[in-house]
Amino acid sequence: EAEVAQSPRYKITEKSQAVAFWCDPISGHATLYWYRQILGQGPELLVQFQDESVVDDSQLPKDRFSAERLKGVDSTLKIQPAELGDSAMYLCASRLRGGGNEQFFGPGTRLTVL
Amino acid sequence: GQSLEQPSEVTAVEGAIVQINCTYQTSGFYGLSWYQQHDGGAPTFLSYNALDGLEETGRFSSFLSRSDSYGYLLLQELQMKDSASYFCALSHGGATNKLIFGTGTLLAVQP
Repeated sequence: EAEVAQSPRYKITEKSQAVAFWCDPISGHATLYWYRQILGQGPELLVQFQDESVVDDSQLPKDRFSAERLKGVDSTLKIQPAELGDSAMYLCASRLRGGGNEQFFGPGTRLTVL
Repeated sequence: GQSLEQPSEVTAVEGAIVQINCTYQTSGFYGLSWYQQHDGGAPTFLSYNALDGLEETGRFSSFLSRSDSYGYLLLQELQMKDSASYFCALSHGGATNKLIFGTGTLLAVQP
């Protein structure tokens, strides 16, 4: 069964360091989402791609966060510099173009900033 | 802005029926989705209501009333494996289907 892949699964870093997360969506899924989920809360959308284009990054803290999906397939989310408040689960999800309402989520990357 | 409110915790016993409510505020949306998330796991899609009324998928049903800005997820014949967090989410449809998630409800199923 096709799944969304993410790596690393866990990341511990010190504040002011740079971190990067990788996501490989289900093959053929044109839409890719990055969410941040703070413990005990619902996922919050950070950025959304349609193919290689950003279609919504209104909630992305652009002074420190960046995201790219250069070839419209896999994607990287970067934080530089990391802050204590960035500790959270970072989830990637994908959706088939015209494929209904279901988003398929990856296992996430648990980030701890010390 | 948009917001969704859910009870933070619900407890029920195995075999019972439980309803998880979701109230929302929004200026417009396409539908209401429900996702399940086990501790440490990824959210998984359960149900979607585009129209008012009840949608049934096996042991799970979901309801939407746009006039009341209200929806609920109904879980029947509860099993221990149903212990998880449940999120309602406003779907904005279209080509990109942006989701705005609620606060989440932690369901504990007891034997």
